[in-house]
Amino acid sequence: DAGITQSPRYKITETGRQVTLMCHQTWSHSYMFWYRQDLGHGLRLIYYSAAADITDKGEVPDGYVVSRSKTENFPLTLESATRSQTSVYFCASRGWEHPNEKLFFGSGTQLSVL
Amino acid sequence: DQQVKQNSPSLSVQEGRISILNCDYTNSMFDYFLWYKKYPAEGPTFLISISSIKDKNEDGRFTVFLNKSAKHLSLHIVPSQPGDSAVYFCAATNAGKSTFGDGTTLTVKP
Repeated sequence: DAGITQSPRYKITETGRQVTLMCHQTWSHSYMFWYRQDLGHGLRLIYYSAAADITDKGEVPDGYVVSRSKTENFPLTLESATRSQTSVYFCASRGWEHPNEKLFFGSGTQLSVL
Repeated sequence: DQQVKQNSPSLSVQEGRISILNCDYTNSMFDYFLWYKKYPAEGPTFLISISSIKDKNEDGRFTVFLNKSAKHLSLHIVPSQPGDSAVYFCAATNAGKSTFGDGTTLTVKP
């Protein structure tokens, strides 16, 4: 199906474990983003990517690693999960033509770190 | 320091009346503003946007107003419908990156 998909939808893990959240888009959008949304708060940018093999830090990058070997995939890895990383994670994408173009979001991954 | 603020966490209106959601920002470098709507267990979806060179943009029942001198924007929904009940996020962009407010939960009562 066309669009942007995230997996898994729900994940429970333990402190110290490595976790990878997946994001896949079928539009060939150049830009991809990872946001986290904590309860009662807005979305904060973790990392973004302008193209394959080009990534950059956002507002809250500590404790996260990203890679983008293919345009369509943008996985987010928590190297050693902490309870403060319990959150809902949203992946988003947009084209390159207009920097202010709207973002297309996935349905989110709800992550609980125990 | 939060650069985009939505000071009202919630808003309740009657069906058919106007809903007004507000957003304030502090960074003068923001050049584009967007509103997103979010239903539970779904990702945000784009609703309407406005460039910093304009002061109004309209799309059906939705109108966004921008007051640059006050660094304030608002979203008007007329008439409000029960299906509009959702969380509304204001976002401001600079250099292609978006900064979001905390959201306002709108409840439209039948």
